Amino acid sequence: DSGVTQTPKHLITATGQRVTLRCSPRSGDLSVYWYQQSLDQGLQFLIQYYNGEERAKGNILERFSAQQFPDLHSELNLSSLELGDSALYFCASSVDGSPGPQHFGDGTRLSIL
Amino acid sequence: AQKITQTQPGMFVQEKEAVTLDCTYDTSDPSYGLFWYKQPSSGEMIFLIYQGSYDQQNATEGRYSLNFQKARKSANLVISASQLGDSAMYFCAMRPYYNQGGKLIFGQGTELSVKP
Repeated sequence: DSGVTQTPKHLITATGQRVTLRCSPRSGDLSVYWYQQSLDQGLQFLIQYYNGEERAKGNILERFSAQQFPDLHSELNLSSLELGDSALYFCASSVDGSPGPQHFGDGTRLSIL
Repeated sequence: AQKITQTQPGMFVQEKEAVTLDCTYDTSDPSYGLFWYKQPSSGEMIFLIYQGSYDQQNATEGRYSLNFQKARKSANLVISASQLGDSAMYFCAMRPYYNQGGKLIFGQGTELSVKP
């Protein structure tokens, strides 16, 4: 158990819809990262938050947005969903400032029908 | 450009034998971390081992060791005494420490199959 909690585990929805993925980081971790894993793109970094503020942005589409709340949990919002958005979405957390590892949640598997 | 290359899409190993999974990296950052993660068929990402670019000794964690050769920009994972439960995808990742935020850059992965 990594200590990072992601909900829901599975999400099935239709094109054009909007979904919200939720992540609770490990206790004491201030940084939250979102990654997308798809068959064609592999594991891609989307966005990082540190203590409520956006720290770094990767290959995140404009249809996607995220935020980190005062209690440090984070949400990834995906809107106007397309078939190509079907993927496994991971949240990871770390103690920022430390060179050590990021610990991953179990992921949310998003299927767009 | 920051890049991780894993040249072995798939590997087979006999149970109880050792196996080496290859990883090379490219970065211009003077300081970085190298990581290996395991992804079983159930999908979760499990952290295995970490090596800092300034660490003098190769990292070890139980049956896992990281063969770090800085001049060759390689960070191979060695799994000793393979077990059936080691069958999984293995990802090498790098985290540059300057001007990159905290993101991990992943390779394409190596699928390891352990034969009984």
